[in-house]
Amino acid sequence: ILNVEQSPQSLHVQEGDSTNFTCSFPSSNFYALHWYRWETAKSPEALFVMTLNGDEKKKGRISATLNTKEGYSYLYIKGSQPEDSATYLCAWGNTGTASKLTFGTGTRLQVTL
Amino acid sequence: ETGVTQTPRHLVMGMTNKKSLKCEQHLGHNAMYWYKQSAKKPLELMFVYNFKEQTENNSVPSRFSPECPNSSHLFLHLHTLQPEDSALYLCASSQVSASGNEQFFGPGTRLTVL
Repeated sequence: ILNVEQSPQSLHVQEGDSTNFTCSFPSSNFYALHWYRWETAKSPEALFVMTLNGDEKKKGRISATLNTKEGYSYLYIKGSQPEDSATYLCAWGNTGTASKLTFGTGTRLQVTL
Repeated sequence: ETGVTQTPRHLVMGMTNKKSLKCEQHLGHNAMYWYKQSAKKPLELMFVYNFKEQTENNSVPSRFSPECPNSSHLFLHLHTLQPEDSALYLCASSQVSASGNEQFFGPGTRLTVL
């Protein structure tokens, strides 16, 4: 694959649920994998930038893993809160053009009380 | 607040108008980007400027004309646009030498072409 795919497209969970999303990307010429959080009417905000196979990163209740050999990354949210409601984007950078990112269509998360 | 500002936030224009979008970054970065976000589509990279030089033009029609007068400012000049150009236009900046090249985005300009 030469594009970035995210699943599911959308997700609706209740407060306190834990959830995860998937990002698939080309496994060749890997440079970096980015996760962004995009709330409505705001700017996309970087959550994680991962460059090494096996990387695991964590920020509060959110964590991400990376497998560059098979071309996937998971984003986990533990104990979802309403403020986690947003679209989560992943983006892949390759070694040929490090400044160029290819984005997925995102996973839209809605957390309700 | 990401350190990247965009003006205007909303723009409505006719197909014969000429307008410009402005982006400014206050982060000291050396690269700036224009992206287009259409409904149900991923963010599409339009242009990349590294050290004020255009390094990427992602097959964008000539009715979109970028300008980068210095490393802090980026413009997108628009003329004779089509209704299908209506979209959210996002600007971003990054420090290309930094590991992974994290990008910082502005809030976007919502463009409607009538």
